[in-house]
This record gives sequence, structure tokens and C-alpha cells, in this order.
Amino acid sequence: QKEVEQNSGPLSVPEGAIASLNCTYSDRVSQSFFWYRQYSGKSPELIMSIYSNGDKEDGRFTAQLNKASQYVSLLIRDSQPSDSATYLCAVNRVRNQGGKLIFGQGTELSVKP
Amino acid sequence: GAVVSQHPSWVICKSGTSVKIECRSLDFQATTMFWYRQFPKQSLMLMATSNEGSKATYEQGVEKDKFLINHASLTLSTLTVTSAHPEDSSFYICSALRAEHHNEQFFGPGTRLTVL
Repeated sequence: QKEVEQNSGPLSVPEGAIASLNCTYSDRVSQSFFWYRQYSGKSPELIMSIYSNGDKEDGRFTAQLNKASQYVSLLIRDSQPSDSATYLCAVNRVRNQGGKLIFGQGTELSVKP
Repeated sequence: GAVVSQHPSWVICKSGTSVKIECRSLDFQATTMFWYRQFPKQSLMLMATSNEGSKATYEQGVEKDKFLINHASLTLSTLTVTSAHPEDSSFYICSALRAEHHNEQFFGPGTRLTVL
């Protein structure tokens, strides 16, 4: 079992729809959770971070964390073609020293006009 | 978000030469930085953890004598690819850790290395 798992996609949604990206993690003591967006040929960009159970909203993005189910998700409302990218889920395990992140394999999102 | 720069953004070199890549955190101090490599259509691969004032920690399978890391200040880490070969051609990306903010990592724009 991979430490951080995501569906690789591609996930295709029409413009204006809600895109839902999911991620599960195996280490129960994980404490910090991050979503990065990576456009083709570019480096990852941090778009959301979440540390406690519940929802966290920032503009069109909402991150959801459920530690009991070891599940974190990212919702993108009013999806735009410019949201088309690979979304990386990353987890910081408390046992790790120095803040090393464990990444999922990424979900490719395609928003069709 | 925080700003991390990398220089150069791309480099082409001959086989056997050495290439140095700089990573700078511009608006915060980073005692820890990370170096990643990414091949086309593949996932990020962590190469090493760079700690200010101490030796870098390398991931399994990464040759420390080939990929030299120096973290001389709280805002600068360098990666030197020594005696580069075509198989070292890749996208090298650094990140800086903002420890005081839940260990958020901010990535530089990356350096595309092509070894002829």
C-alpha cells in the first residue's frame, strides 16, 4: 500500500462544474496536509494546506480533512480551463524529521470549455 | 505564498562538465531546503535534504559524490551535478521549508538541465 494514494485520472469536468480530487494516506499520525498544483513543465505551486479536521476554504478552493478516515480532498468550484493541471496531495508525517513531504502520484485534471 | 528562486532556469552542458544550481528563499529564512528531480511524465523524486550549516541527507540510491549540496546560509542552497552525463538530463527543483508555518514547502521554478 502506498503511503499517499490518489487516482491518477485524468479527471475531466466541464467548465463551471465542481472538480473533486481525493487522497488517502496510510500513516495515522500524519499532521500536515497540502495540495499542490503543477502545470506541465512547471514546478509545483502550493494552493492549500490543512491541519485540523473539517473544511478550509480559500476562494474557489476547499480542502477537507477527515483524520479518522485518513482522507483529504480538494474541491474546486466553478472550474476553469486554467485549472487544468496535475494536482499533488502531500503529507508531512510527524515522525519525519525536517518536514519531508510524502507525495501522491498526482491527479490530472482537465477542464473542458 | 513565499518566494523561492532558482538559477539558472535552464542549462545545456557537455558531458563530463559540472553544473551548479542555486536555490534562494527570498522572503523567509529556510534552515531546511530540499532538492527534487523530475523526469517527463513522472512523479517528483526527492534527492536530498539540505540543512543549513550541516551535511545534506541523501535519499537511497542518490550518489552524494555526484550531487554535491551546500547550504551555506539561511537563504541559499546549491546543488552541483559533477561530471554530468546525458542520463542526468532532467528537471531539478528545489523547495524551501517554512518551519514556523506548519512546515509548508515552497518550490522554486526549477532548472532544466540538458547534458549533450
